[in-house]
Amino acid sequence: SQQGEEDPQALSIQEGENATMNCSYKTSINNLQWYRQNSGRGLVHLILIRSNEREKHSGRLRVTLDTSKKSSSLLITASRAADTASYFCAASGSARQLTFGSGTQLTVLP
Amino acid sequence: GAVVSQHPSWVICKSGTSVKIECRSLDFQATTMFWYRQFPKQSLMLMATSNEGSKATYEQGVEKDKFLINHASLTLSTLTVTSAHPEDSSFYICSARGRTGATGELFFGEGSRLTVL
Repeated sequence: SQQGEEDPQALSIQEGENATMNCSYKTSINNLQWYRQNSGRGLVHLILIRSNEREKHSGRLRVTLDTSKKSSSLLITASRAADTASYFCAASGSARQLTFGSGTQLTVLP
Repeated sequence: GAVVSQHPSWVICKSGTSVKIECRSLDFQATTMFWYRQFPKQSLMLMATSNEGSKATYEQGVEKDKFLINHASLTLSTLTVTSAHPEDSSFYICSARGRTGATGELFFGEGSRLTVL
């Protein structure tokens, strides 16, 4: 299984602070993706980083990937209350399926 | 971006009845659709992969006769929970990958919350 593990499980920060979430996976991947889920809703794709990339930016998001450590991190800068959600990493391997991590519940306090 | 519509968004049914959930890709052709199950405060667990025109591939531990998946067209996949019981209560989410989705990005439906009484 490529099940990803994320930490922390829950993170509470003040608005304006940065939030960092980490993800680890078990086997080789083609890419790693990060998704966001508001409570009771579907998932929204945030960013995809390929196995040959080390860092990627998208707006206030910064993702890093370390294939030697089989880990990735998602940094949200200058967080806003609207960023409150669950964040999942998802590993895509040779079967092109996505295996989701356990998720981080982020709460941004106004 | 691409849109995936899931219906119904919530359903309550009596134990023993069957419930059908639809997943439609609205603006692209989805060659592959995935069905996930999510328990409260937990991650998504892949149930099955369906390819248009062929039988679904189920993950280990998922009962094929319990969760019937049909992907009869390039824009529609359905999940039928047969003879539903309270333990089937969950949040079911579908996702779709189009012909140009070779990079792996999936588009997700909004989910369907099933409550079995």
